[in-house]
Amino acid sequence: KAGVTQTPRYLIKTRGQQVTLSCSPISGHRSVSWYQQTPGQGLQFLFEYFSETQRNKGNFPGRFSGRQFSNSRSEMNVSTLELGDSALYLCASSFTPRASGGAGETQYFGPGTRLLVL
Amino acid sequence: DAKTTQPNSMESNEEEPVHLPCNHSTISGTDYIHWYRQLPSQGPEYVIHGLTSNVNNRMASLAIAEDRKSSTLILHRATLRDAAVYYCILRINRDDKIIFGKGTRLHILP
Repeated sequence: KAGVTQTPRYLIKTRGQQVTLSCSPISGHRSVSWYQQTPGQGLQFLFEYFSETQRNKGNFPGRFSGRQFSNSRSEMNVSTLELGDSALYLCASSFTPRASGGAGETQYFGPGTRLLVL
Repeated sequence: DAKTTQPNSMESNEEEPVHLPCNHSTISGTDYIHWYRQLPSQGPEYVIHGLTSNVNNRMASLAIAEDRKSSTLILHRATLRDAAVYYCILRINRDDKIIFGKGTRLHILP
């Protein structure tokens, strides 16, 4: 079974631009979560989608948004990029979301998209 | 907010057991404890998880304190490939949050 895939793997943008990152979950998985990883803050939860609905959101500004498609693939968008948005963006998939009893379920992470904002 | 606390780094000799501690004093009864590890240039990888009882799998063991306010990940025989950042994670049922610790960077000495 193929793992979680993320595209692109690397991205360079300038301040003020916007960016869209893509995540394809493991086949059959319907829950997709996004995380931001930086050296200073570590891994921080962005949001989770299940069946095309956002189920939970972390403490990030509205510039960070996402969506999920009917095939469970997910995208996240960051508008008006700032230098501090430079980070590794990770996507993880699981079969069920936590609110449906999935708190004991394993999440499978992709390799991440490394975004550099200049 | 519930949070986890881990040492920043630890060292261990190859082929010896490693005990990685995690404090989660504000854990609630339905919160699961997960451990993931992240090797360089890779996404986090699942290691083990538990709720109340100690757990074993082919990668590691998880020892959970009786009051559940702390847990310890045990690698029985560390190899160089176990060098990674280990994250202790709470999966909170009541408000759907995921709380990451800062992680422990484990160095394995040959």
